[in-house]
Amino acid sequence: LAKTTQPISMDSYEGQEVNITCSHNNIATNDYITWYQQFPSQGPRFIIQGYKTKVTNEVASLFIPADRKSSTLSLPRVSLSDTAVYYCLVGDRGGATNKLIFGTGTLLAVQP
Amino acid sequence: SQTIHQWPATLVQPVGSPLSLECTVEGTSNPNLYWYRQAAGRGLQLLFYSVGIGQISSEVPQNLSASRPQDRQFILSSKKLLLSDSGFYLCAWSQPYNEKLFFGSGTQLSVL
Repeated sequence: LAKTTQPISMDSYEGQEVNITCSHNNIATNDYITWYQQFPSQGPRFIIQGYKTKVTNEVASLFIPADRKSSTLSLPRVSLSDTAVYYCLVGDRGGATNKLIFGTGTLLAVQP
Repeated sequence: SQTIHQWPATLVQPVGSPLSLECTVEGTSNPNLYWYRQAAGRGLQLLFYSVGIGQISSEVPQNLSASRPQDRQFILSSKKLLLSDSGFYLCAWSQPYNEKLFFGSGTQLSVL
């Protein structure tokens, strides 16, 4: 079962680029990497998903090195509203169980 | 488009009382369904997941149970609630073998 490790918390200021790294040393060949954002008292919201190299959408970029043992979520020019917990999720397709277990997440605090 | 409904939004129950939380998904068929729990200030704990009607996998042995009587209906139950059952309960769905989860709005359960 793939397990993820993230920093517990990060601080940033408005307008800065924020990079949150996730370690997943035991990722299986068929596993994708998915990132979520969660605000208090809400369910997590999908941000971005990738398999390898770089993926970009309207809110973030995801960088995945060739060995896929880590990934980095990049948030460009953060604002106060980006203060949230960010989760990296790696599936268990290698075990074909559909079991999706979240790590501890990273609390991003954006200051004015 | 797909939607997920979860109710109730808040619930206050005495210790020893029963529990029933319901979740339904619309606009898709044969989804994977998940129940997560989040204690205050903590991460997401996977409780149950289901890949089909009547198929339930339990991740945490406890006094909770889950059932999937219909393809797009997932129910979380307890015969006797404990104080430690308090938390934020989230239902989610995904396509099979896909880590892109869609969450409901959650139920805040307080056991007193």
